[in-house]
Amino acid sequence: AQKVTQAQTEISVVEKEDVTLDCVYETRDTTYYLFWYKQPPSGELVFLIRRNSFDEQNEISGRYSWNFQKSTSSFNFTITASQVVDSAVYFCALSEALTGANSKLTFGKGITLSVRP
Amino acid sequence: DSGVTQTPKHLITATGQRVTLRCSPRSGDLSVYWYQQSLDQGLQFLIQYYNGEERAKGNILERFSAQQFPDLHSELNLSSLELGDSALYFCASSARTSGISNTGELFFGEGSRLTVL
Repeated sequence: AQKVTQAQTEISVVEKEDVTLDCVYETRDTTYYLFWYKQPPSGELVFLIRRNSFDEQNEISGRYSWNFQKSTSSFNFTITASQVVDSAVYFCALSEALTGANSKLTFGKGITLSVRP
Repeated sequence: DSGVTQTPKHLITATGQRVTLRCSPRSGDLSVYWYQQSLDQGLQFLIQYYNGEERAKGNILERFSAQQFPDLHSELNLSSLELGDSALYFCASSARTSGISNTGELFFGEGSRLTVL
């Protein structure tokens, strides 16, 4: 069975601090996909990134970066120079190998990030 | 705007009642997923439909049912409601085609917040 663990439940930082959100996953599949979603206070779920199990390159997008390490089954998310607008709940998710008909995601419990001015 | 539309946005009802939540997926998306988000359970996968057929089932109660219509919109029916059914219900869609262009991420609607009193 697939499982995603986000051990941190709440993180509070001051603006401009860097913050890393941890994600550890379990799967028996050799091909799988990892995702991060953001849920701002307004409630919608916003897709941030997708990474497949064959691509361990780290990715950077502006202030966001992701570190994927298969050896430790982790897919951590770092926000550099955090801003108040980054305050949200962040979910890590895992999907088994994709077919056109199946993208069911297993979500972690989420991490509530509060960025104080 | 994800392109997924959910109605109603808010719903307040009493125990024992029945409600229907509606979802219109992104134009051309064949898959619809329903998720329940509650404080204690997090984001739980309920059920998936693909092109009108049930494709995967998660932690969906027998009191709940869903269907996907020929125009691809979906409805989630919740009956004999209990206090514990109060939650945010998300619909998501994916897979414009059945081929490799499915990149796997789910696009979520803004959710329907159900309050059972």
